[in-house]
Amino acid sequence: LAKTTQPISMDSYEGQEVNITCSHNNIATNDYITWYQQFPSQGPRFIIQGYKTKVTNEVASLFIPADRKSSTLSLPRVSLSDTAVYYCLVAHKAAGNKLTFGGGTRVLVKP
Amino acid sequence: EPEVTQTPSHQVTQMGQEVILRCVPISNHLYFYWYRQILGQKVEFLVSFYNNEISEKSEIFDDQFSVERPDGSNFTLKIRSTKLEDSAMYFCASSEALRRTGDDDTEAFFGQGTRLTVV
Repeated sequence: LAKTTQPISMDSYEGQEVNITCSHNNIATNDYITWYQQFPSQGPRFIIQGYKTKVTNEVASLFIPADRKSSTLSLPRVSLSDTAVYYCLVAHKAAGNKLTFGGGTRVLVKP
Repeated sequence: EPEVTQTPSHQVTQMGQEVILRCVPISNHLYFYWYRQILGQKVEFLVSFYNNEISEKSEIFDDQFSVERPDGSNFTLKIRSTKLEDSAMYFCASSEALRRTGDDDTEAFFGQGTRLTVV
């Protein structure tokens, strides 16, 4: 099981870009990287998923270097409503698609 | 946007009582999950369910827990005899597919959760 390590917390200001780096040194060939967002008292919400290089959607970008031992979630121009916990997960190509959550990164966006 | 719905939003029960938490997954999804999150702690996997049977379960999911898909739309988690330490947010999730290639869509959609308080 690939362990992930990410900062416990980050502060930012409205309008700034937030980059959260996650390390997953023992990621396996069949593993892929997924990021979720969680607001207080709500269920996690999928943000983005990737296997290698760069993935972009309407919410975020995910940068994965060639060795795949880390990944960086980039949130462009954050707003106060982006204050949340962001989880980096390495998911397995196994039956059931079980997600193993770590402690996440608590991002606080200030005015 | 389709969503997973859970009822009730909050359940208070006495220790030793049975509770049933209910979930309506997204209609075309085939894989269903229960997770829980004790206050201030990580989200923990409990169980996954596919084709009317459990496909994987965690150590937490002991004999006190069971899941069922009683009809075509509901997915339930039953705790037979609740303990104080079962107090947590319980999240149901569903996904459309099982990841087999890098392009398969396996995003898990989570419900808003049921806050279970055991007193």
